[in-house]
Amino acid sequence: DAGVIQSPRHEVTEMGQEVTLRCKPISGHNSLFWYRQTMMRGLELLIYFNNNVPIDDSGMPEDRFSAKMPNASFSTLKIQPSEPRDSAVYFCASTWAGTITGELFFGEGSRLTVL
Amino acid sequence: AQSVTQLDSHVSVSEGTPVLLRCNYSSSYSPSLFWYVQHPNKGLQLLLKYTSAATLVKGINGFEAEFKKSETSFHLTKPSAHMSDAAEYFCVVTANRDDKIIFGKGTRLHILP
Repeated sequence: DAGVIQSPRHEVTEMGQEVTLRCKPISGHNSLFWYRQTMMRGLELLIYFNNNVPIDDSGMPEDRFSAKMPNASFSTLKIQPSEPRDSAVYFCASTWAGTITGELFFGEGSRLTVL
Repeated sequence: AQSVTQLDSHVSVSEGTPVLLRCNYSSSYSPSLFWYVQHPNKGLQLLLKYTSAATLVKGINGFEAEFKKSETSFHLTKPSAHMSDAAEYFCVVTANRDDKIIFGKGTRLHILP
């Protein structure tokens, strides 16, 4: 079975550019999470969706960040405009909300470097 | 409200010796507890989970953890460390009454040859 698929795995961009990160959750899962990981701040929850609806976006840093989930098999996290402090590894995770909520399946991450 | 504290940010052990990674939690409701492992440049992977069944939980790669309600702890152990165990480990708590998933700050495990 395919796991959570994220793309791109690596992205290097210049400050001010738009960045779009993509995630395909595991088929049949109905909850999707976006996390950001840095050395300084550790793992931070940015937003999560249940049945394609954003439930909690309180972790989204500011208006430059937006996330969408147009259907059950696809989600995007967009940063516009990007800044050097956005450099991090961004993880997508999915699960079936009808079971134990802490059992998440993570993708391999998208490493973003903003110059 | 829930919280989780990983008491050590770094742990170093020699190959072949026991591993102990400490985790304490706080939860207003009956918690579910998890340990995840993250190898370098990889995503997080579930090691084991406690969900109010047996208090001693066995996971993958020889790891196990014991839920101790009186001590509000869920420490991760392994009898004999292997070089491949070098990674970062995260303790996670959730409660059945809400959808909050709380991650600890992580413990980086170093294995000395």
